[in-house]
Amino acid sequence: DTAVSQTPKYLVTQMGNDKSIKCEQNLGHDTMYWYKQDSKKFLKIMFSYNNKELIINETVPNRFSPKSPDKAHLNLHINSLELGDSAVYFCASSPYDGYRGYTFGSGTRLTVV
Amino acid sequence: DAKTTQPPSMDCAEGRAANLPCNHSTISGNEYVYWYRQIHSQGPQYIIHGLKNNETNEMASLIITEDRKSSTLILPHATLRDTAVYYCIVGSRGGADGLTFGKGTHLIIQP
Repeated sequence: DTAVSQTPKYLVTQMGNDKSIKCEQNLGHDTMYWYKQDSKKFLKIMFSYNNKELIINETVPNRFSPKSPDKAHLNLHINSLELGDSAVYFCASSPYDGYRGYTFGSGTRLTVV
Repeated sequence: DAKTTQPPSMDCAEGRAANLPCNHSTISGNEYVYWYRQIHSQGPQYIIHGLKNNETNEMASLIITEDRKSSTLILPHATLRDTAVYYCIVGSRGGADGLTFGKGTHLIIQP
């Protein structure tokens, strides 16, 4: 019954690899997001996406790309991983009117070695 | 950058009301005040939001000043499980263009 689920929960990989993190929401929400939380615990938005529009935080390297096969999924692809990409990545979703705010997933801890 | 200012940390005794302040002096007329919290290692959790009227739900109350330049989140009877980082965020309705989290307040509930 998990509302926003992310897989995997933990991901350890070597520099230079390409990896993906999957996110699925079963809430029927219209908009999905990816956030990055670094070692200093700052939460920074990376992308917001609905059926019509992708909004990219301009500070996000183009090695990061969101892919949405359908309204319920927003996957995050990362190419040529770097040490600085190590962080916890959170997926979130919200309904169009945002009445109940965002629902976040439990996070994916990515470690690049 | 976050448009809010919060104290970095606060303590509160278990069973007491926890009052978390937030300054947002540059808030625009159509922007909402949102509160989220993050319990250690978990995803952030939505608490409450408001525009200009005070709001109450099963988790908390939100008091917004008349000039909307500041607000207070009230947890009426704090428990140990309320220990978390609390984020006050200003954003558009629904936040569909993304909410910007600041540093938040680390609330520690003391037994």
